Amino acid sequence: AQSVTQPDIHITVSEGASLELRCNYSYGATPYLFWYVQSPGQGLQLLLKYFSGDTLVQGIKGFEAEFKRSQSSFNLRKPSVHWSDAAEYFCAVGAQYGNKLVFGAGTILRVKS
Amino acid sequence: SQTIHQWPATLVQPVGSPLSLECTVEGTSNPNLYWYRQAAGRGLQLLFYSVGIGQISSEVPQNLSASRPQDRQFILSSKKLLLSDSGFYLCAWSGDSFGSYNSPLHFGNGTRLTVT
Repeated sequence: AQSVTQPDIHITVSEGASLELRCNYSYGATPYLFWYVQSPGQGLQLLLKYFSGDTLVQGIKGFEAEFKRSQSSFNLRKPSVHWSDAAEYFCAVGAQYGNKLVFGAGTILRVKS
Repeated sequence: SQTIHQWPATLVQPVGSPLSLECTVEGTSNPNLYWYRQAAGRGLQLLFYSVGIGQISSEVPQNLSASRPQDRQFILSSKKLLLSDSGFYLCAWSGDSFGSYNSPLHFGNGTRLTVT
């Protein structure tokens, strides 16, 4: 069964600074990988997804993520953080054929001005 | 375009009272539907999913039940709420099982349930 670990519960960065949120997954076969963002009191919005091909994936709102099979990682990055990026971010892993989508525990991003 | 509606947004209920949360999807047919519960620091826990009318699968034993009376309607219920049922409940849909690469999960805005 697949699993996801997001090692950082909280991260605080200054506005304009770069950001990297960590995600490690465990899955024996080819994974689907996703990053979702959740604003307070809201549902989750898909930022980006990866299945195959180019290991650097571009998403919405200026986010990107890099898949590293050797490290079982799918870290989310943004070169310059905006105050509106403050939210909770979830990494998720799924299987190719109708298996569960498993979410990490989330990382809360705080942006200080 | 597809939209998902979930209500109410917040709910405060006494212990032992019944529960009914509703979720509807527009703009698509035969979606896969899901109920998740979110607890602080624990990510999202899948409670129920449905691949068609009247077809419900439960992922965890609990005090809750789900029903799908219509193609695009998914209801989460309880006969008697417990304190431990408090949480943030999210409905989601996808065009494929569990949210594939080509059809990821799309979430509603959630319901904050407080059982007192």
